Amino acid sequence: EAGVAQSPRYKIIEKRQSVAFWCNPISGHATLYWYQQILGQGPKLLIQFQNNGVVDDSQLPKDRFSAERLKGVDSTLKIQPAKLEDSAVYLCASRLESRFYEQYFGPGTRLTVT
Amino acid sequence: AQTVTQSQPEMSVQEAETVTLSCTYDTSESDYYLFWYKQPPSRQMILVIRQEAYKQQNATENRFSVNFQKAAKSFSLKISDSQLGDAAMYFCAYRVIQGAQKLVFGQGTRLTINP
Repeated sequence: EAGVAQSPRYKIIEKRQSVAFWCNPISGHATLYWYQQILGQGPKLLIQFQNNGVVDDSQLPKDRFSAERLKGVDSTLKIQPAKLEDSAVYLCASRLESRFYEQYFGPGTRLTVT
Repeated sequence: AQTVTQSQPEMSVQEAETVTLSCTYDTSESDYYLFWYKQPPSRQMILVIRQEAYKQQNATENRFSVNFQKAAKSFSLKISDSQLGDAAMYFCAYRVIQGAQKLVFGQGTRLTINP
């Protein structure tokens, strides 16, 4: 079974530029999560999707971050414009609806904003 | 709001020895799950072990076991017979059963294995 795929693995941009990250969850996983992991900290949830719909985006900085999940499969997370404090690893995870406790994580995208 | 605290930023252990990583959490919920995740330098988060709060028996997975103290809101991870491949960041995480079911993570503990 293929795991959660993310791209790119690394991205370096200047502040005020825009960037997009892509996530392809495990086939059949209805729930998809985006986490932000700042260096030296644990991951923090940005947004959770259930199929196409948003379940929780309470910690998403909506003035600059946006996310979508088209057709309930792939998802993209966008930052526009980026700030220095957005430098972090962005992790995508997915979970089967019937598997009530296990999230599977992708390898993450390391973003550096200069 | 639920919080998870890991008070040990770094730990080290000799290969083949036993090490215990600490975690405390705060919640008003009675039913929830607790997890330990391992994150090696590759950044891939790997589930090590999970515990359901309603189960009194401590979870065990091969060399990994937990000491779950519900009243004290404590959830420690014991790694027996430490191996070089165990070196990684370890995160304690909490999740409610109902609702959005997001994971709330602690700050992490960096575990070093000395050969």
